[in-house]
Formats: sequence, C-alpha cells, structure tokens
Amino acid sequence: GAGVSQSPSNKVTEKGKDVELRCDPISGHTALYWYRQSLGQGLEFLIYFQGNSAPDKSGLPSDRFSAERTGGSVSTLTIQRTQQEDSAVYLCASSLVGDTQYFGPGTRLTVL
Amino acid sequence: AQSVTQLDSQVPVFEEAPVELRCNYSSSVSVYLFWYVQYPNQGLQLLLKYLSGSTLVESINGFEAEFNKSQTSFHLRKPSVHISDTAEYFCAVSEQGRGYQKVTFGTGTKLQVIP
Repeated sequence: GAGVSQSPSNKVTEKGKDVELRCDPISGHTALYWYRQSLGQGLEFLIYFQGNSAPDKSGLPSDRFSAERTGGSVSTLTIQRTQQEDSAVYLCASSLVGDTQYFGPGTRLTVL
Repeated sequence: AQSVTQLDSQVPVFEEAPVELRCNYSSSVSVYLFWYVQYPNQGLQLLLKYLSGSTLVESINGFEAEFNKSQTSFHLRKPSVHISDTAEYFCAVSEQGRGYQKVTFGTGTKLQVIP
C-alpha cells in the first residue's frame, strides 16, 4: 500500500476485556514501531521490531501488553485485561532500517 | 536516556505573522532531531529533520529549524504563517549510533493561526 495502515480506527471495549490492534507497514519496511499517545503523557515508545524479532521491548508498560510480527510485515499489539488507563491512541510506524519513520493514522482505544 | 521539552503547549498567532515553536532536548550522546506535525484528524507527518551537516534545515512549506548544540535547542520557525499551518507540532530526538530510531517525543505545541 501507499502508507502505513492500522485497524480498527476506533475500538471501544469494557474493562477487563482483551483487545488486538493491527498494523500493516509500508511494503519493504523492515523496521516497525509501536507508540502510544495519551492525554498528559504525549507520545511514548512501546516496542521496536526488526523483521519478526523485537530487540527493544523496553516501552511496554506491563506484562498485559504484548506484540508480534509475522512474515516481516503485519504486526499485532495485544492488550490483555484492559484497564481504563490503557485508553489512548496507539500509533504504528514503519521505516527502512535507521531511516525516517512513517506513521499510520492510529487506533483510538477507549476502555469503559 | 534522552528527553525533549516543549515549554509552550499552545501558541496562538495571527495569519501572516512570524512564529517560533521552542524545543530543548537533553541527551548524554549525540542525537538526531525531528519535527513532526499532526494536522486535525490526521496522522503524524515528518516536517523536517537534522541528521548531520548544516545546522539549518528547511521544510517544503516554509518552516525551518536550527540545531544549536551549545544550547541543546532545535526551535522551529516560520516567517509568515497561514491558516493551513494550524496543527500540533512535536519535537523529537533519537540517539545516534543505535542502529534504529527509538524516538523520544516532546509533549507537543498546538499552533493556532488566527485569521
């Protein structure tokens, strides 16, 4: 595709439910990043993938958060047992290694 | 570790007036510097970046930023703003030599251009 796509664009869930957020990076981009944009916190780095491996997971806030990438392409961010403080916009970005990151439109997650 | 400070959360400015959005950073190593822009209801877009070489970098829509190592600043300027520049602007840094860009963002500055 022409750019990074993310789905769903909006997700409303109840506290305690699990959610999966999807990212489709730009074709050929081997690097993939997840960020979280929340009120009062700004943009926070969550995890970095190079191919299918994640050498930097340092930004994942708790063990309820996990992510995987398959085929060096699509990535899924999973949040288990969602809490209200997980409400945020989750952004995905992709790039060639070490190059400029291109961001997707984000998934707005609301936990009731 | 690095950090980015954008002291101004909102900057109102009249159309055709000049504007400066301030950014200061802290890092123990050399960094790359970026400005990203987020237009209403749109995703983040790279506006300009400093990697090396000339300390003054420009965007295609008239913005410029100057890397000042001694003051650890990377302020964004435009001599004459347009209504279409209304957006939120994020300053960001990443450490050199890491092999990938683990970007640290500032909290953003909302630029409101007043007709």
